[in-house]
Amino acid sequence: AQSVTQLGSHVSVSEGALVLLRCNYSSSVPPYLFWYVQYPNQGLQLLLKYTSAATLVKGINGFEAEFKKSETSFHLTKPSAHMSDAAEYFCAVSGDTGRRALTFGSGTRLQVQP
Amino acid sequence: DAGVIQSPRHEVTEMGQEVTLRCKPISGHNSLFWYRQTMMRGLELLIYFNNNVPIDDSGMPEDRFSAKMPNASFSTLKIQPSEPRDSAVYFCASSASRQGRNIQYFGAGTRLSVL
Repeated sequence: AQSVTQLGSHVSVSEGALVLLRCNYSSSVPPYLFWYVQYPNQGLQLLLKYTSAATLVKGINGFEAEFKKSETSFHLTKPSAHMSDAAEYFCAVSGDTGRRALTFGSGTRLQVQP
Repeated sequence: DAGVIQSPRHEVTEMGQEVTLRCKPISGHNSLFWYRQTMMRGLELLIYFNNNVPIDDSGMPEDRFSAKMPNASFSTLKIQPSEPRDSAVYFCASSASRQGRNIQYFGAGTRLSVL
């Protein structure tokens, strides 16, 4: 079975500060890991994905995430927060063959203070 | 590409009525997923299809829910009869499920309110 745990349902940072959103996964097979962002009243947009090619993954809008197998983590970071980054962020895991559906974490709402 | 298209965007109905949600996946994608988002349960898979065939429907809540994919460009999720606890945002997503490319693209969702 696969699962993800997102620590912190709400994170608040100041504009220009580092953004760190935490995700830990559990998977019995090498996982595919994803970060999605959801703006109010919109669908989910892919930020980045890990598919075993490289442990440091760069995504859109300046976000990146590092896969750490020893820590079973896939934390999302951005060096400098913008007001436009305020949204809800979801970490998700899927298998390759077999269970292709995504299993989502509970989400982290990011607030950016001016 | 227009992306995944869902209709309607909003649906308000009364308890006991039939509700049909529609989804058009991205052209060329061969996997389609239905998810439900609620405050209590977050995002959860209802059902997914591969090459129009249902692969995993373990997330379908009960017999009131049914999903079909009659062809590669269309899917429906039907709730009959609807209940207030079905109120949620329903998302459809599609992907080209070649190995290593399981990237799912989401529609804007249908917000369902059952009164």
